[in-house]
Amino acid sequence: SAVISQKPSRDICQRGTSLTIQCQVDSQVTMMFWYRQQPGQSLTLIATANQGSEATYESGFVIDKFPISRPNLTFSTLTVSNMSPEDSSIYLCSVEAMTSPLRNEQFFGPGTRLTVL
Amino acid sequence: QKEVEQNSGPLSVPEGAIASLNCTYSDRGSQSFFWYRQYSGKSPELIMFIYSNGDKEDGRFTAQLNKASQYVSLLIRDSQPSDSATYLCVGAGGTSYGKLTFGQGTILTVHP
Repeated sequence: SAVISQKPSRDICQRGTSLTIQCQVDSQVTMMFWYRQQPGQSLTLIATANQGSEATYESGFVIDKFPISRPNLTFSTLTVSNMSPEDSSIYLCSVEAMTSPLRNEQFFGPGTRLTVL
Repeated sequence: QKEVEQNSGPLSVPEGAIASLNCTYSDRGSQSFFWYRQYSGKSPELIMFIYSNGDKEDGRFTAQLNKASQYVSLLIRDSQPSDSATYLCVGAGGTSYGKLTFGQGTILTVHP
């Protein structure tokens, strides 16, 4: 399994500001993913971040709102831009386990709990 | 239509009973299925995976997959209060290769 850390673990922000969330993995991984989990909801994939290429965003998420960087195989950042109270969520990064491709197993970071006032 | 649909819950069982969690999926190409457990305020953790038809047992947990019926289940035997959590049924592969498709989750409460 991979050990994943995220910073910050939580933050309270004012509307209109931006927050950058960092995700660090203890081993090199090809695919990293960013999810959002709104209160009482399941996880929704925001985008897939691959090193050396632009992130691939899911329907309903755009690069201007959620820019992502992936400078190397162990690190990624997600920025939540021009925040509004609707962005209050837990943001999680995950990595694909280096096991059989058939499994597509993912390990999750501890999450960043964001509250926008 | 949700791609992975779980029985809505919440589910409440007495300690020592069997908890049965079910889900169905719509993408016939899905290859792997996972059950993640998520405690309140924590990130999801993988407890079971299955990709072949039939049953897979691991301790008190049994995952079942029926690809013909597009049905996945998780049985928890001898339920303990520490099993109280949200259980997420997750599909992978198929038309969304490399991505996970999450069900909405089932809240399980095991009461003493």
